[in-house]
Amino acid sequence: NAGVMQNPRHLVRRRGQEARLRCSPMKGHSHVYWYRQLPEEGLKFMVYLQKENIIDESGMPKERFSAEFPKEGPSILRIQQVVRGDSAAYFCASSPARAGAGYTFGSGTRLTVV
Amino acid sequence: EDQVTQSPEALRLQEGESSSLNCSYTVSGLRGLFWYRQDPGKGPEFLFTLYSAGEEKEKERLKATLTKKESFLHITAPKPEDSATYLCAVQTQTGANNLFFGTGTRLTVIP
Repeated sequence: NAGVMQNPRHLVRRRGQEARLRCSPMKGHSHVYWYRQLPEEGLKFMVYLQKENIIDESGMPKERFSAEFPKEGPSILRIQQVVRGDSAAYFCASSPARAGAGYTFGSGTRLTVV
Repeated sequence: EDQVTQSPEALRLQEGESSSLNCSYTVSGLRGLFWYRQDPGKGPEFLFTLYSAGEEKEKERLKATLTKKESFLHITAPKPEDSATYLCAVQTQTGANNLFFGTGTRLTVIP
């Protein structure tokens, strides 16, 4: 059962380093979403992508954060110059093209900034 | 502004003690309401999607219902393995395909 694959599962970075989080969607899914979950908070939408297109990045911080979903390969969420406040669980989800379809989430990447 | 509120924040039940979780929402136009289950350290697991008031869906001990203002997740005769955080999310007509989540209800079922 090839679900949404995220790696790494755990990532430790020192302040100022870059973090790269990868997400491979489910087979047949062309839409990818990134969410962030802070301790004791709900899932917050960050960005919605299709192949080679950013559809909605309204939840993405304006600086240091970027996302891509290239024609080949996984979607990448990149955080430059990480700070302690970036420590969180980052979840990727994918869905088929039709509107109203349910998402399938990956197991997440837990980022710790030390 | 779109808003999703879940209550209670936490719920402890004895095994076999049925109860309901609430998700109230205020959105500009509802395209769908989603229920997920999340276990500690894992990603959310899809349970149900409801699209219109009056709709109901069931899966094992869980039943989800939808009105124009809120959704309920009814848990009948819960077991310890039902312990998890239950998340409600909405997809709106005006937004893109993204989901807007509530903060969840943390359910503990005691043997």
